[in-house]
Amino acid sequence: SQTIHQWPATLVQPVGSPLSLECTVEGTSNPNLYWYRQAAGRGLQLLFYSVGIGQISSEVPQNLSASRPQDRQFILSSKKLLLSDSGFYLCAWSVGQNTGNQPQHFGDGTRLSIL
Amino acid sequence: GESVGLHLPTLSVQEGDNSIINCAYSNSASDYFIWYKQESGKGPQFIIDIRSNMDKRQGQRVTVLLNKTVKHLSLQIAATQPGDSAVYFCAVTYNFNKFYFGSGTKLNVKP
Repeated sequence: SQTIHQWPATLVQPVGSPLSLECTVEGTSNPNLYWYRQAAGRGLQLLFYSVGIGQISSEVPQNLSASRPQDRQFILSSKKLLLSDSGFYLCAWSVGQNTGNQPQHFGDGTRLSIL
Repeated sequence: GESVGLHLPTLSVQEGDNSIINCAYSNSASDYFIWYKQESGKGPQFIIDIRSNMDKRQGQRVTVLLNKTVKHLSLQIAATQPGDSAVYFCAVTYNFNKFYFGSGTKLNVKP
């Protein structure tokens, strides 16, 4: 079966520090991968998605970037964190290869607090 | 684009009763719909999905109804249990890579 891992589960970082959040998927090949941010009591906002290695689409201009160095690895980064980057970051995957609408499956997220 | 709204931010039900959670969307081109359950500190968990060529789909204790005429989606949970307490989100898409999420309904189950 497929599993998705995100780490760390929680992170406290000072303003201006760099960020690297990692997500890996097991049990599937060539998945579509997604990064979302969830503000408290709100829905999910899509940040980035990827349909293949090195292919990144950005949905919202911001202080963050994403990379996909391997088929089942998705990384969310920032060079200098802002206070507004605080939130709950979720990684998700879905079946790729243009198979039409498929559900997205989420990891358990990273709670990021910026001080 | 798409705009997704949920009718109630909070819903309280008695254990054993049926629960109905509603969702409205704006784009008539939306053709795939998902309900997720999110427990505190966890990621959303897939519950059930429905495509636009269907009006109703049933799972274990859950039913999703889709009314494309009024752009409305509902999740019915039968015999609600304490373990059903969570935040429920609908997700809607007309572009298979981009889902639009509602803000969620918090379901409280009273024993």
